[in-house]
Amino acid sequence: EAGVVQSPRYKIIEKKQPVAFWCNPISGHNTLYWYRQNLGQGPELLIRYENEEAVDDSQLPKDRFSAERLKGVDSTLKIQPAELGDSAVYLCASSSGGTLYNEQFFGPGTRLTVL
Amino acid sequence: AQSVAQPEDQVNVAEGNPLTVKCTYSVSGNPYLFWYVQYPNRGLQFLLKYITGDNLVKGSYGFEAEFNKSQTSFHLKKPSALVSDSALYFCATRGGGSYIPTFGRGTSLIVHP
Repeated sequence: EAGVVQSPRYKIIEKKQPVAFWCNPISGHNTLYWYRQNLGQGPELLIRYENEEAVDDSQLPKDRFSAERLKGVDSTLKIQPAELGDSAVYLCASSSGGTLYNEQFFGPGTRLTVL
Repeated sequence: AQSVAQPEDQVNVAEGNPLTVKCTYSVSGNPYLFWYVQYPNRGLQFLLKYITGDNLVKGSYGFEAEFNKSQTSFHLKKPSALVSDSALYFCATRGGGSYIPTFGRGTSLIVHP
Protein backbone atom coordinates (compact mmCIF):
# COMPACT_ATOMS: atom_id res chain seq x y z
CA GLU A 1 0.00 0.00 0.00
CA ALA A 2 1.40 3.35 -1.02
CA GLY A 3 1.77 5.90 1.74
CA VAL A 4 0.96 9.59 1.79
CA VAL A 5 2.85 11.36 -0.97
CA GLN A 6 3.97 14.98 -0.73
CA SER A 7 5.84 17.20 -3.11
CA PRO A 8 8.12 18.96 -3.26
CA ARG A 9 10.28 17.65 -0.43
CA TYR A 10 12.23 20.87 -0.15
CA LYS A 11 11.50 24.42 -1.24
CA ILE A 12 13.54 27.58 -0.89
CA ILE A 13 11.94 30.88 -1.83
CA GLU A 14 12.38 34.60 -1.31
CA LYS A 15 9.95 36.34 1.02
CA LYS A 16 6.82 37.71 -0.65
CA GLN A 17 6.93 34.92 -3.24
CA PRO A 18 4.08 32.39 -3.54
CA VAL A 19 4.55 28.70 -2.83
CA ALA A 20 2.36 25.62 -3.12
CA PHE A 21 2.51 22.18 -1.59
CA TRP A 22 0.80 19.08 -2.93
CA CYS A 23 -0.45 16.02 -1.09
CA ASN A 24 -1.86 12.71 -2.27
CA PRO A 25 -3.38 10.77 0.64
CA ILE A 26 -3.66 7.03 1.07
CA SER A 27 -6.29 5.61 -1.26
CA GLY A 28 -9.68 5.46 0.41
CA HIS A 29 -8.82 7.85 3.23
CA ASN A 30 -11.49 10.51 3.28
CA THR A 31 -9.93 12.62 6.05
CA LEU A 32 -6.94 14.78 5.17
CA TYR A 33 -4.91 17.07 7.44
CA TRP A 34 -2.35 19.79 6.85
CA TYR A 35 0.06 20.54 9.69
CA ARG A 36 2.90 22.97 10.22
CA GLN A 37 5.83 21.78 12.29
CA ASN A 38 8.31 24.34 13.54
CA LEU A 39 11.77 23.28 14.62
CA GLY A 40 11.68 21.65 18.04
CA GLN A 41 7.91 21.59 18.18
CA GLY A 42 5.12 19.15 17.55
CA PRO A 43 2.85 19.45 14.51
CA GLU A 44 0.12 22.09 14.66
CA LEU A 45 -3.05 21.56 12.67
CA LEU A 46 -3.75 24.08 9.94
CA ILE A 47 -6.81 22.52 8.33
CA ARG A 48 -8.73 19.26 8.22
CA TYR A 49 -10.80 17.99 5.31
CA GLU A 50 -13.62 15.50 5.40
CA ASN A 51 -13.84 14.49 1.75
CA GLU A 52 -13.86 17.80 -0.11
CA GLU A 53 -15.25 19.83 2.77
CA ALA A 54 -12.88 21.92 4.87
CA VAL A 55 -13.58 21.63 8.58
CA ASP A 56 -11.43 22.72 11.51
CA ASP A 57 -9.71 25.55 9.60
CA SER A 58 -9.69 27.99 12.50
CA GLN A 59 -5.88 27.83 12.74
CA LEU A 60 -5.27 28.53 9.07
CA PRO A 61 -3.99 32.12 8.58
CA LYS A 62 -6.51 32.95 5.93
CA ASP A 63 -4.96 36.24 4.90
CA ARG A 64 -2.08 34.42 3.21
CA PHE A 65 -2.82 30.69 3.36
CA SER A 66 -5.34 28.82 1.27
CA ALA A 67 -6.08 25.16 0.71
CA GLU A 68 -8.23 23.08 -1.54
CA ARG A 69 -9.12 19.45 -1.96
CA LEU A 70 -10.80 19.00 -5.26
CA LYS A 71 -12.80 15.79 -5.74
CA GLY A 72 -11.96 14.80 -2.16
CA VAL A 73 -8.61 13.22 -3.03
CA ASP A 74 -5.48 15.30 -3.67
CA SER A 75 -4.96 18.53 -1.80
CA THR A 76 -2.93 21.69 -2.30
CA LEU A 77 -1.82 24.14 0.35
CA LYS A 78 -0.74 27.59 -0.85
CA ILE A 79 0.99 30.51 0.80
CA GLN A 80 0.89 33.90 -0.89
CA PRO A 81 2.89 35.91 -0.08
CA ALA A 82 5.34 33.96 2.05
CA GLU A 83 6.93 35.55 5.10
CA LEU A 84 10.14 34.70 6.92
CA GLY A 85 8.13 33.17 9.78
CA ASP A 86 6.57 30.64 7.43
CA SER A 87 9.79 28.64 7.34
CA ALA A 88 8.80 25.24 8.70
CA VAL A 89 8.01 21.69 7.67
CA TYR A 90 4.53 21.28 6.23
CA LEU A 91 3.09 17.85 6.86
CA CYS A 92 0.14 16.19 5.22
CA ALA A 93 -1.64 13.28 6.89
CA SER A 94 -4.67 11.18 6.16
CA SER A 95 -6.91 8.81 8.04
CA SER A 96 -9.86 6.56 7.29
CA GLY A 97 -13.04 7.96 8.74
CA GLY A 98 -13.62 11.07 10.79
CA THR A 99 -13.63 9.48 14.21
CA LEU A 100 -11.73 10.75 17.19
CA TYR A 101 -9.73 7.56 17.61
CA ASN A 102 -8.41 6.85 14.11
CA GLU A 103 -4.66 7.14 13.81
CA GLN A 104 -3.14 9.33 11.14
CA PHE A 105 -0.70 8.39 8.40
CA PHE A 106 1.82 11.11 7.63
CA GLY A 107 3.71 12.03 4.51
CA PRO A 108 7.42 12.91 4.62
CA GLY A 109 6.70 16.63 4.67
CA THR A 110 7.87 19.64 2.70
CA ARG A 111 10.64 21.67 4.27
CA LEU A 112 10.07 25.32 3.39
CA THR A 113 12.81 27.89 3.78
CA VAL A 114 11.88 31.54 3.23
CA LEU A 115 14.85 33.87 2.70
CA ALA B 1 -8.83 23.23 25.81
CA GLN B 2 -6.85 20.05 25.52
CA SER B 3 -3.09 19.88 25.99
CA VAL B 4 -0.23 17.42 26.07
CA ALA B 5 3.02 17.78 27.97
CA GLN B 6 6.22 15.89 27.33
CA PRO B 7 8.40 17.03 30.23
CA GLU B 8 11.69 15.72 28.85
CA ASP B 9 13.30 17.20 25.76
CA GLN B 10 15.73 14.31 25.63
CA VAL B 11 15.99 10.82 27.10
CA ASN B 12 19.26 8.90 27.08
CA VAL B 13 19.38 5.17 27.64
CA ALA B 14 21.89 2.40 27.06
CA GLU B 15 21.08 -0.31 24.57
CA GLY B 16 19.42 -3.27 26.27
CA ASN B 17 18.06 -1.19 29.14
CA PRO B 18 14.37 -0.39 29.58
CA LEU B 19 13.19 2.98 28.36
CA THR B 20 10.37 5.31 29.34
CA VAL B 21 9.22 8.43 27.52
CA LYS B 22 6.80 10.48 29.58
CA CYS B 23 3.54 12.11 28.53
CA THR B 24 0.80 13.79 30.53
CA TYR B 25 -2.44 15.12 29.13
CA SER B 26 -5.30 17.44 29.91
CA VAL B 27 -8.60 16.66 28.19
CA SER B 28 -12.19 17.11 29.22
CA GLY B 29 -14.07 13.86 29.05
CA ASN B 30 -12.56 10.66 27.74
CA PRO B 31 -9.18 11.08 26.08
CA TYR B 32 -7.92 9.33 22.98
CA LEU B 33 -4.15 9.09 23.24
CA PHE B 34 -1.54 8.34 20.61
CA TRP B 35 2.19 7.88 20.27
CA TYR B 36 4.03 8.63 17.05
CA VAL B 37 7.71 8.31 16.15
CA GLN B 38 9.60 10.54 13.73
CA TYR B 39 12.87 9.54 12.14
CA PRO B 40 15.10 12.21 10.52
CA ASN B 41 13.62 13.66 7.33
CA ARG B 42 10.60 11.41 7.62
CA GLY B 43 6.98 11.98 8.53
CA LEU B 44 5.47 10.83 11.79
CA GLN B 45 4.73 7.12 12.08
CA PHE B 46 1.97 5.71 14.27
CA LEU B 47 3.11 3.48 17.16
CA LEU B 48 0.06 2.85 19.33
CA LYS B 49 -3.12 4.33 20.73
CA TYR B 50 -5.41 4.16 23.74
CA ILE B 51 -9.15 4.31 23.16
CA THR B 52 -10.72 2.46 26.06
CA GLY B 53 -10.37 -0.78 27.97
CA ASP B 54 -7.06 -2.29 29.05
CA ASN B 55 -4.74 0.36 30.45
CA LEU B 56 -1.68 -1.33 28.95
CA VAL B 57 -1.55 -0.86 25.20
CA LYS B 58 0.88 -2.75 22.99
CA GLY B 59 2.11 -1.31 19.72
CA SER B 60 4.68 -1.58 16.97
CA TYR B 61 8.36 -2.48 17.39
CA GLY B 62 7.91 -3.82 20.93
CA PHE B 63 6.66 -0.53 22.36
CA GLU B 64 3.85 -0.33 24.89
CA ALA B 65 2.19 2.45 26.83
CA GLU B 66 0.34 2.58 30.10
CA PHE B 67 -2.73 4.75 30.51
CA ASN B 68 -3.12 6.10 34.04
CA LYS B 69 -6.31 8.08 34.49
CA SER B 70 -5.60 9.28 38.03
CA GLN B 71 -2.21 10.67 37.02
CA THR B 72 -3.44 11.75 33.56
CA SER B 73 -0.40 10.08 32.05
CA PHE B 74 0.32 7.91 29.04
CA HIS B 75 3.98 6.96 29.26
CA LEU B 76 5.67 5.07 26.43
CA LYS B 77 7.81 2.11 27.43
CA LYS B 78 9.99 -0.61 26.00
CA PRO B 79 11.64 -3.39 28.02
CA SER B 80 14.90 -3.42 26.06
CA ALA B 81 16.04 -0.45 23.98
CA LEU B 82 17.73 -0.75 20.59
CA VAL B 83 20.06 1.77 18.97
CA SER B 84 17.59 1.88 16.08
CA ASP B 85 14.92 3.20 18.48
CA SER B 86 16.76 6.54 18.52
CA ALA B 87 14.28 9.05 17.13
CA LEU B 88 11.85 11.80 18.06
CA TYR B 89 8.72 10.64 19.87
CA PHE B 90 5.45 12.56 19.99
CA CYS B 91 2.48 12.07 22.26
CA ALA B 92 -0.88 13.31 20.96
CA THR B 93 -4.44 13.50 22.15
CA ARG B 94 -7.95 14.12 20.99
CA GLY B 95 -10.95 14.44 23.22
CA GLY B 96 -13.65 16.60 24.64
CA GLY B 97 -15.49 16.27 21.36
CA SER B 98 -12.73 18.06 19.45
CA TYR B 99 -11.40 16.47 16.28
CA ILE B 100 -8.33 18.71 16.40
CA PRO B 101 -5.32 16.59 17.41
CA THR B 102 -2.96 18.19 19.92
CA PHE B 103 0.66 17.09 19.88
CA GLY B 104 3.33 17.43 22.52
CA ARG B 105 6.59 19.13 21.57
CA GLY B 106 8.37 15.81 21.28
CA THR B 107 11.07 13.91 23.16
CA SER B 108 14.35 12.97 21.54
CA LEU B 109 15.28 9.42 22.48
CA ILE B 110 18.96 8.57 22.20
CA VAL B 111 19.98 4.95 22.70
CA HIS B 112 23.70 4.50 23.24
CA PRO B 113 25.46 1.31 22.08
